[in-house]
Amino acid sequence: KAGVTQTPRYLIKTRGQQVTLSCSPISGHRSVSWYQQTPGQGLQFLFEYFSETQRNKGNFPGRFSGRQFSNSRSEMNVSTLELGDSALYLCASSTPTGEETQYFGPGTRLLVL
Amino acid sequence: DQQVKQNSPSLSVQEGRISILNCDYTNSMFDYFLWYKKYPAEGPTFLISISSIKDKNEDGRFTVFLNKSAKHLSLHIVPSQPGDSAVYFCAGRTSGSRLTFGEGTQLTVNP
Repeated sequence: KAGVTQTPRYLIKTRGQQVTLSCSPISGHRSVSWYQQTPGQGLQFLFEYFSETQRNKGNFPGRFSGRQFSNSRSEMNVSTLELGDSALYLCASSTPTGEETQYFGPGTRLLVL
Repeated sequence: DQQVKQNSPSLSVQEGRISILNCDYTNSMFDYFLWYKKYPAEGPTFLISISSIKDKNEDGRFTVFLNKSAKHLSLHIVPSQPGDSAVYFCAGRTSGSRLTFGEGTQLTVNP
């Protein structure tokens, strides 16, 4: 089975721009979660989508949003980028119920200049 | 509020010896605990998990122990190998698939 894939792997943007990141979960996984990793804050939960609905949300401003499509693929969007948004953005997928394991993709490294 | 804490930023052990990584938590609502291994600029790789109703889970060289009364878990790696050198994160799971991570511990296994 193919693992979680994320595109693009690297991205450079300037302040004020917006960005869209994509995540394709493992086949059969219907839950997709997004995390942000920064040196100062560590790994932090952004949000989780299941069956095209946001099921959980972390403590991030409204500039961070996401969605999930009927094929379980997910996108996250960050609008009005700030320097502090520079981070590794990770996507994880899991089976819908009971399974405790989340499998992570390789991440998208975003640099905001 | 740091719900999951890994108090040791780094740990160095000799090849073949035991590595013990520790994690403390405060949230009683965690139903599973997971350990991940991570290399720079890569996604975390799942190692082992434990349900909150268990006290031990073993998988090959990896064993996780959970002490609910102390709100403490530990990951034992025996024997340690140089390829185990990485950052190790513990995480607690709540509501659905939300994971709360600790700060990570850099493990270095010296040949």
